[in-house]
Amino acid sequence: EVQLLESGGGLVQPGGSLRLSCVVSGFTFSSQAMSWVRQAPGKGLEWVSSISGSGSGGSTYYADSVKGRFTISRDTSKNTLYLQMNSLRAEDTAVYYCAKDMWRFDYWGQGTLVIVSS
Amino acid sequence: EIVMTQSPATLSVSPGERATLSCRASQSVSSNLDWYQQKPGQAPRLLIYGASTRATGVPARFSGSGSGTEFTLIISSLQSEDFAVYYCQQYNNWPRTFGQGTKVEIK
Repeated sequence: EVQLLESGGGLVQPGGSLRLSCVVSGFTFSSQAMSWVRQAPGKGLEWVSSISGSGSGGSTYYADSVKGRFTISRDTSKNTLYLQMNSLRAEDTAVYYCAKDMWRFDYWGQGTLVIVSS
Repeated sequence: EIVMTQSPATLSVSPGERATLSCRASQSVSSNLDWYQQKPGQAPRLLIYGASTRATGVPARFSGSGSGTEFTLIISSLQSEDFAVYYCQQYNNWPRTFGQGTKVEIK
């Protein structure tokens, strides 16, 4: 059974940093592309970042809104996907979902809430 | 960036009726389009990928069609569990973009 479990969300001040984690199971993590998608309160879905599988060189992709501030990475020994978020802004407030990425987001975690506020 | 526009924003439908949701891309995305369903407090769920292929476990009352810039999601006979928000998403170009969503509500 495929499972994804995010953690690491919380309240952070503007300009601060946070690292989100997503522990996965039920599939071969190292070869699978993964993504982060966020949803601001009461708003729609926004793709944030993706990382390709090992077979595709682990390439990374970012939305313009987070480029230069967020970094996606993976630790295959821990079956864990990360999103390092720096220089956080109020507009980064959202539920962050990790998703297994087959060009379609076929499995999602339950999400972790990030609130950026003073 | 490819802009995805969904219509209508809200669709009021009675149980058992047919619902037709539209998604338009600002430029061609070929058939590289997915549909997702999201219920309050839940993560999105993949319904349709490649514009017309139902994901595993998705009932046959859901069907997708279209290519290029015009796409349609049809729910043939709405059940109570189908009242939710539906999003389209293109993966033809980076950045991947979602439509703003269509809320299907009980009439």
